[in-house]
Amino acid sequence: DAGITQSPRHKVTETGTPVTLRCHQTENHRYMYWYRQDPGHGLRLIHYSYGVKDTDKGEVSDGYSVSRSKTEDFLLTLESATSSQTSVYFCATQGDGMGYTFGSGTRLTVV
Amino acid sequence: DQQVKQNSPSLSVQEGRISILNCDYTNSMFDYFLWYKKYPAEGPTFLISISSIKDKNEDGRFTVFLNKSAKHLSLHIVPSQPGDSAVYFCAASVGSDYKLSFGAGTTVTVRA
Repeated sequence: DAGITQSPRHKVTETGTPVTLRCHQTENHRYMYWYRQDPGHGLRLIHYSYGVKDTDKGEVSDGYSVSRSKTEDFLLTLESATSSQTSVYFCATQGDGMGYTFGSGTRLTVV
Repeated sequence: DQQVKQNSPSLSVQEGRISILNCDYTNSMFDYFLWYKKYPAEGPTFLISISSIKDKNEDGRFTVFLNKSAKHLSLHIVPSQPGDSAVYFCAASVGSDYKLSFGAGTTVTVRA
């Protein structure tokens, strides 16, 4: 089963360009999250969504925006990519109960 | 400021022995704690959780202990197996606020 699909899996982009990462879920989960993983920092929350068109900022939201026009899709946009945004990005969903289900991640390199 | 801290970046243990992973938190409002396991090139997967109304939860080889007064929890893996080699993340949340705060992770290596 592919409950959560992240695309692309890998991307190299140039500084200053906009980048959009996509998270697609088939679980009909209400809650969706974007995290970034960096050495020494673990997973840090970028943005999250409690439902369609209902989003809020996490702890490291500067330089990122999100949109959720459908339950199944949660998009993360880097307005103007910088080298500090080189990271591995994980999308997660949450249904009833507390456990998150994570996607396989997107490795983004900004050169 | 990181509210969940895993101060040991790595742990090496012999196969068959016990692995003990530690996690400290600073937010006294946290009342739900989870451990996730992550293999390279994969997303984290849920391992075990504990509510603040308990001090111990066990699931097979995995046991989580919670010491609320010390704001400390630990994960015990007994016996450790080669497949346990992974990065383990501690996470915590406040009640109905579903946002999880994660620690930096501990890389466990199980030696044959």
